Amino acid sequence: SQTIHQWPATLVQPVGSPLSLECTVEGTSNPNLYWYRQAAGRGLQLLFYSVGIGQISSEVPQNLSASRPQDRQFILSSKKLLLSDSGFYLCAWTVDFYGYTFGSGTRLTVV
Amino acid sequence: GQQVMQIPQYQHVQEGEDFTTYCNSSTTLSNIQWYKQRPGGHPVFLIQLVKSGEVKKQKRLTFQFGEAKKNSSLHITATQTTDVGTYFCAGQGVDYKLSFGAGTTVTVRA
Repeated sequence: SQTIHQWPATLVQPVGSPLSLECTVEGTSNPNLYWYRQAAGRGLQLLFYSVGIGQISSEVPQNLSASRPQDRQFILSSKKLLLSDSGFYLCAWTVDFYGYTFGSGTRLTVV
Repeated sequence: GQQVMQIPQYQHVQEGEDFTTYCNSSTTLSNIQWYKQRPGGHPVFLIQLVKSGEVKKQKRLTFQFGEAKKNSSLHITATQTTDVGTYFCAGQGVDYKLSFGAGTTVTVRA
């Protein structure tokens, strides 16, 4: 069966520090991968998506970046975090666009 | 891309009552999807509607896709405490990007 792993579950980082969040998918090949951010009590904002290794599309200009070094690995990074980067970061995948499967998310607090 | 609006933002329901949440898109959609997020959890896929006018049921939940494929609704009958959470609609356009509404957060009074 397919599973998605996302870590860490929670993270508290100081302003200006780097960030690396990792997401891996198991049990499927060539998934479409997504990074979403959810502000407290709000909807989901699409940050990045990838349809294949090395292919990244950015939806929102910001100080975040994404990479897909392997077929089932998606990484969200930042060189210097801002206070406004706080939020709930969710990785998701789909193969046939029939529903997205989300990871359990990372709650990031920038202090 | 499409913008998806969802109302109401909050729904306070007496246990046993019915309620409906509505979703509207600025553009015609390829399909619309519904997700449920329990407090502290992540969104979980409920259903996808593809055809114009389509109606699907999951136990006490009834999902409908509008004739013009620009709006949708979720109706829950006989609300239970297990229905607590935030319900998101998400519209998928021809570019396959999924745009989420802001969600309807449901609380239930026992």
